[in-house]
Amino acid sequence: EDQVTQSPEALRLQEGESSSLNCSYTVSGLRGLFWYRQDPGKGPEFLFTLYSAGEEKEKERLKATLTKKESFLHITAPKPEDSATYLCAAPYNFNKFYFGSGTKLNVKP
Amino acid sequence: NAGVTQTPKFQVLKTGQSMTLQCAQDMNHEYMSWYRQDPGMGLRLIHYSVGAGITDQGEVPNGYNVSRSTTEDFPLRLLSAAPSQTSVYFCASSSAGQGFSPLHFGNGTRLTVT
Repeated sequence: EDQVTQSPEALRLQEGESSSLNCSYTVSGLRGLFWYRQDPGKGPEFLFTLYSAGEEKEKERLKATLTKKESFLHITAPKPEDSATYLCAAPYNFNKFYFGSGTKLNVKP
Repeated sequence: NAGVTQTPKFQVLKTGQSMTLQCAQDMNHEYMSWYRQDPGMGLRLIHYSVGAGITDQGEVPNGYNVSRSTTEDFPLRLLSAAPSQTSVYFCASSSAGQGFSPLHFGNGTRLTVT
């Protein structure tokens, strides 16, 4: 069964404490792995797309990586403004996606 | 640039009532879709459209209806609301292009059915 699973469900970090979020997928014929950020009361906002194993993308304190079975979102020296829910998603048709349930990140000053 | 606009932001319905959630985009995107988001679950696809006049069902279509008469608008109709439809609803759009384009989301409609 195609699915996308994220862990942990929630993560509390001190400001400056680096960590990683995991997204594992079993979507056959993967056509990309997408990361989104969602703030409370808002819609998800696109961060990255990764297409092939070994690919990496960076944006400020965030770096996304991809293997054949999972993707990681590494957060280096996070700040309180990085607090949000991070979602990963895999497409199974042109605009149809399987979404993970998200990791809620809380960064305390 | 407004992007994807959803109205209303909040809505309370009684069981059996019907209503329409509005969605409009100004990016000239071909693809539009509706997702619902429930606690502990990922976003789930309700209905989608690949262009004006073309719609199809997603994972959880029962109890919902859609139409797409223009490129810009993609309303979602709840035919007879049920408590199980209490959720946050997101409309999204994306461009056709080559490959898979990221979704652009509205800010959601929080629906409560009592």
